[in-house]
Amino acid sequence: GAVVSQHPSRVICKSGTSVKIECRSLDFQATTMFWYRQFPKQSLMLMATSNEGSKATYEQGVEKDKFLINHASLTLSTLTVTSAHPEDSSFYICSASWVRETQYFGPGTRLLVL
Amino acid sequence: ELKVEQNPLFLSMQEGKNYTIYCNYSTTSDRLYWYRQDPGKSLESLFVLLSNGAVKQEGRLMASLDTKARLSTLHITAAVHDLSATYFCAVDRGSGGSNYKLTFGKGTLLTVNP
Repeated sequence: GAVVSQHPSRVICKSGTSVKIECRSLDFQATTMFWYRQFPKQSLMLMATSNEGSKATYEQGVEKDKFLINHASLTLSTLTVTSAHPEDSSFYICSASWVRETQYFGPGTRLLVL
Repeated sequence: ELKVEQNPLFLSMQEGKNYTIYCNYSTTSDRLYWYRQDPGKSLESLFVLLSNGAVKQEGRLMASLDTKARLSTLHITAAVHDLSATYFCAVDRGSGGSNYKLTFGKGTLLTVNP
């Protein structure tokens, strides 16, 4: 199956700092990438959808100025959590797909904001 | 708004037994996914169900889809400990174009006991 990587796998930062998470499709070109967050023992909640070269589409209730998404190429999308606070601590998972195929999920990034 | 309900949310079963996880969804969709998640890990794709009456099997797991009843089932046959994980169903909202989005159920935490 297709491989999606995320970096870093886990990050600890101080409150008020910004954190960038990278999502890469390693062996295919992803027309669309998705960003999810998952709180402990809960389901995945879609945060935003991004298509290469265009602005991300955010789900209702997700602050676009806080969660900056850039999809610069067909193999790379980044999520930047700006001015992170403890309530942003979560498991962030990206997925990638082309056309309307199965979404392939990255391994996730665990963010802890102190 | 699409709602996806899974039940049960917690399932403790003995090795060798059979059981079924149910996934109901509230609006029309033509694509349903089942995923497995191990603790601290990302999602592993199990099945993609694309049409009414679709049935797919892999090992001890079998998934089916009834689009008229808006119901999918994940049947476990002769459970083994290795199947212990959280299982999610996800329904494609079918918003058109390439921005297809998934709504996840809350997940079923399956524990298989010896």
